[in-house]
Amino acid sequence: EAGVVQSPRYKIIEKKQPVAFWCNPISGHNTLYWYRQNLGQGPELLIRYENEEAVDDSQLPKDRFSAERLKGVDSTLKIQPAELGDSAVYLCASSFTPTVSLGSGELFFGEGSRLTVL
Amino acid sequence: SQQGEEDPQALSIQEGENATMNCSYKTSINNLQWYRQNSGRGLVHLILIRSNEREKHSGRLRVTLDTSKKSSSLLITASRAADTASYFCATAPGYSSASKIIFGSGTRLSIRP
Repeated sequence: EAGVVQSPRYKIIEKKQPVAFWCNPISGHNTLYWYRQNLGQGPELLIRYENEEAVDDSQLPKDRFSAERLKGVDSTLKIQPAELGDSAVYLCASSFTPTVSLGSGELFFGEGSRLTVL
Repeated sequence: SQQGEEDPQALSIQEGENATMNCSYKTSINNLQWYRQNSGRGLVHLILIRSNEREKHSGRLRVTLDTSKKSSSLLITASRAADTASYFCATAPGYSSASKIIFGSGTRLSIRP
């Protein structure tokens, strides 16, 4: 079974340029997460989807970040324009959440997209 | 914001010794999970413990949960060089949808040969 696939693995851009990251979750996983991880820190949740609905985007800087999950499968995270402080690893994860009351099981992570903004 | 805080931030031990990492969190939870991250890689799930459980084992891993103290510990027995990685606790807060998973700041574990 294929895992969570992310691309690109590495991206170097100049500040004020746009950048987009793509994530293909594990087939059948209804919950998709985007996290940002700064060096030496834990992952910080940016946005969480239940199927195609963004149910938690409170940590997403909406002035420059946007995300979409078309048809409840693949997802794209975009930054426009990028700032120096956006340099980080952007992690995508997916899980299968059968019901809210049972809670989420394990998250399956992609290898991440490392962004460097110059 | 991060719900959990791991302690210590960094730990260096001799191969074969046991490694213990602690996690404290702030709010009630549905479950608590531990993940490992090798350098430059994504996170890998290790073990999940539910709020009504107190202890769980998986191979060389032992996890405890004390909901009254809002804390958890991860014990790795008979450490190996391959255990060198960062370890994160992650909680599903009980006040919101249980699919929301929040990570702590992590413990960097180094195993000396």
